[in-house]
Amino acid sequence: ILNVEQSPQSLHVQEGDSTNFTCSFPSSNFYALHWYRWETAKSPEALFVMTLNGDEKKKGRISATLNTKEGYSYLYIKGSQPEDSATYLCAFNALGGATNKLIFGTGTLLAVQP
Amino acid sequence: EPEVTQTPSHQVTQMGQEVILRCVPISNHLYFYWYRQILGQKVEFLVSFYNNEISEKSEIFDDQFSVERPDGSNFTLKIRSTKLEDSAMYFCASSEAPGTQYFGPGTRLTVL
Repeated sequence: ILNVEQSPQSLHVQEGDSTNFTCSFPSSNFYALHWYRWETAKSPEALFVMTLNGDEKKKGRISATLNTKEGYSYLYIKGSQPEDSATYLCAFNALGGATNKLIFGTGTLLAVQP
Repeated sequence: EPEVTQTPSHQVTQMGQEVILRCVPISNHLYFYWYRQILGQKVEFLVSFYNNEISEKSEIFDDQFSVERPDGSNFTLKIRSTKLEDSAMYFCASSEAPGTQYFGPGTRLTVL
């Protein structure tokens, strides 16, 4: 059974703090790692798709790194703002499946206090 | 910006009743998916659909579940005889190719 874990489960930070969270996934049969941002009552929003070991992606104040050999990805938020409050989900695509079904982690709930 | 839409946003039903959850994927997308999240648990894959047939399904997707793309724009998930344990948030997603999947806002199904 393929297992994807995220830590921490939740995080409370002050506005302006920088923060990071971890996604760990199976290091074998890797195809892609996805990060999503999910606000309550809205659609999960795609942030990044990462496929290459050592990949680093950036979108504004949010960036992510990927280590496929050891099976982890970090998501960083620089200078957190209240509007960054959301659940951040990572999802793993395994190589060799019939389709690119996503296997999700439990998510990290981020709350940014003004 | 194109988006995936789902209706209804919340569905309440009695155990044993049939429900149909509806999705309108992004118009030029070819791959369609259903996922669900039971409260407090991970988002889990149910089924993927391509070229008018199921490509892959999970062990959750038993004979009580079916999917259909009836008219080239809608993508539906039917649960024939709902159980209490089917209560969950159901998400539809679509993608143009294997790659980024775009999700709808979900339908919260409550089975009483």
